[in-house]
Amino acid sequence: DVKVTQSSRYLVKRTGEKVFLECVQDMDHENMFWYRQDPGLGLRLIYFSYDVKMKEKGDIPEGYSVSREKKERFSLILESASTNQTSMYLCASSLEGAGNEKLFFGSGTQLSVL
Amino acid sequence: GESVGLHLPTLSVQEGDNSIINCAYSNSASDYFIWYKQESGKGPQFIIDIRSNMDKRQGQRVTVLLNKTVKHLSLQIAATQPGDSAVYFCAAFSGGYQKVTFGTGTKLQVIP
Repeated sequence: DVKVTQSSRYLVKRTGEKVFLECVQDMDHENMFWYRQDPGLGLRLIYFSYDVKMKEKGDIPEGYSVSREKKERFSLILESASTNQTSMYLCASSLEGAGNEKLFFGSGTQLSVL
Repeated sequence: GESVGLHLPTLSVQEGDNSIINCAYSNSASDYFIWYKQESGKGPQFIIDIRSNMDKRQGQRVTVLLNKTVKHLSLQIAATQPGDSAVYFCAAFSGGYQKVTFGTGTKLQVIP
C-alpha cells in the first residue's frame, strides 16, 4: 500500500522559532508537494519538487522554504514561524508525468504557532 | 481570479439515502476534475475523476456529473453509509503542475 508519512501529527511552536516539517514517501515518486489547508479556503500550494534538489514555488511560498536532498524526503521549513502560519500542512506525492493529478496525501501536520 | 466553490458547507443525510455534493468552478479552461474525500484526522483521498470530454463517470457507489456549460460538477453517493461521513472537496485542473484549484469542502454527516 502506498504511503506518505508526515513526521508529526500535531506541533506547537513559538513565534520566531525555526520549524521543520518532514515528509517521506515510499512509492519512488518523482513529484512531491507541500500544501496548507485552512478553514474556508481550499488547499493552497506552497512549494513543489519534481526531482531531487529541484524546487518550484507554488501560490504562497512567502515565509517558507523547502529541501529535497533525497528522492523520498521533502522537508518544509518555516525560517521564523509566525502566528499566521498556524495551519494544517499536507504533503503529497505523485508519479513523474502525473503532475499534481493522482496525488497521494499524507495525514497532515496541524501546526500551531503561539 | 480562479475559484472553486461548494454550494453547501454541511450536508446531513439519512443512512441509506443518496447524497449529492455540488461544486462550481470559474475557469472555463479547466479540463480535468477530481473529487477527494477527507476523513477526520486523515489526508485527502482520491475518489473519482472526470475529464472534460465526458459528462458522467461512475465508480463504486459514486457518480460524478460534469456540466461544462454552467461550470458545475456534482458527486453523487448512492446508499450513503456512516463510513461516508467526511469532508468532500473538488479540484479543478487546467493543465500543468500549478494550475489546480481546490474547493473548500462540504462536510457530509450521515445520520444512522
